[in-house]
Amino acid sequence: DAGVIQSPRHEVTEMGQEVTLRCKPISGHDYLFWYRQTMMRGLELLIYFNNNVPIDDSGMPEDRFSAKMPNASFSTLKIQPSEPRDSAVYFCASSFGLAGLTTDTQYFGPGTRLTVL
Amino acid sequence: AQSVTQLDSQVPVFEEAPVELRCNYSSSVSVYLFWYVQYPNQGLQLLLKYLSGSTLVKGINGFEAEFNKSQTSFHLRKPSVHISDTAEYFCAIVNQGGKLIFGQGTELSVKP
Repeated sequence: DAGVIQSPRHEVTEMGQEVTLRCKPISGHDYLFWYRQTMMRGLELLIYFNNNVPIDDSGMPEDRFSAKMPNASFSTLKIQPSEPRDSAVYFCASSFGLAGLTTDTQYFGPGTRLTVL
Repeated sequence: AQSVTQLDSQVPVFEEAPVELRCNYSSSVSVYLFWYVQYPNQGLQLLLKYLSGSTLVKGINGFEAEFNKSQTSFHLRKPSVHISDTAEYFCAIVNQGGKLIFGQGTELSVKP
């Protein structure tokens, strides 16, 4: 398997622009997670899906952020409008089950490094 | 609420020396603990996990960790590190909702 695939790997945009990050989970995994990593706040869970349905979006910072999972093999995280404080590395991860409730593990993609000027 | 604290933000060590990366946790319920590694410009990769059973857990790349309930710790150890072990290491705990809560990370720097 190719693992979790994220695109783009790097994104540089200007404040106010719309940004869309994409993720393809590992085939067969029924959980998908979006994380954000910054120096100040570390790794934060933004939202996760189970069988394409958003389960917990309590980590989404504000209404400018939205995430969708139209099918089992694709998810997007959108920021509109983007702001400089959104600059971070965004990771997507997938698993068979919630960590700890099964023996399965979260597998992380390589991340998208977002810079908002 | 569950949480983890990684006591060292940076750990410099010479090649072939032993290393211990410290992690303390806080939880009032059953504990599931993980160590992940992040190599430069890459995503996180699972090193090892403790769900139940033996308190000494062996992981990949020669790492091991010991779950100590009385000290609420889950320290990561390796008897002899390599240059290639240079990375950031994250301790994580599963909260009651099943979500992973990560520590702030420890940057391991192995010098020749």
